[in-house]
Amino acid sequence: EAQVTQNPRYLITVTGKKLTVTCSQNMNHEYMSWYRQDPGLGLRQIYYSMNVEVTDKGDVPEGYKVSRKEKRNFPLILESPSPNQTSLYFCASSGGPGQGIDTQYFGPGTRLTVL
Amino acid sequence: AQTVTQSQPEMSVQEAETVTLSCTYDTSESDYYLFWYKQPPSRQMILVIRQEAYKQQNATENRFSVNFQKAAKSFSLKISDSQLGDAAMYFCAYRSARDSNYQLIWGAGTKLIIKP
Repeated sequence: EAQVTQNPRYLITVTGKKLTVTCSQNMNHEYMSWYRQDPGLGLRQIYYSMNVEVTDKGDVPEGYKVSRKEKRNFPLILESPSPNQTSLYFCASSGGPGQGIDTQYFGPGTRLTVL
Repeated sequence: AQTVTQSQPEMSVQEAETVTLSCTYDTSESDYYLFWYKQPPSRQMILVIRQEAYKQQNATENRFSVNFQKAAKSFSLKISDSQLGDAAMYFCAYRSARDSNYQLIWGAGTKLIIKP
């Protein structure tokens, strides 16, 4: 089954404790992206990756890091989480040029609470 | 910068009736894509329908159709024969065909309530 998976689905942590949210897709997509969703704000892009070893900032990158060492994986790293990073996080992927780039497929979401 | 506006925070409709959700956007570009995504209580983000700006014909997917008015920069979603499973948040999104980061610009969402 074609899908985007995220882990964990739920996470409660404390300020300053490093964490990683994993994202994996099995569709051989080139493009991957991270969004955060906050009430009344819709989704905002954190980082994106056009392909392996190619990443760039979205609209709200502060406090986050990403890496793209393999095509299928795009982890989101919070080196020192703060309460304002409490949010719902989505990973998404799409095909890339010539592969249906216009439609993004989303993971199930990760609910993060930073105390 | 492009923006997407959904002016209806919440809408309700009787089961089996038709409802229209509004979306307007602002862009200076001529080539772009528009999407409606559904987010049920499970929080999964599900693509409902998409429209390419260069196509004049309105997209349809079963009970879902859009009214795309390019000159007015309007992209409304019509849901016919509403079902209880249609209850969800609905998000309108825009993507430039030129933007190299393929970023989706999102509206704030409309909560759709289905009355049995």
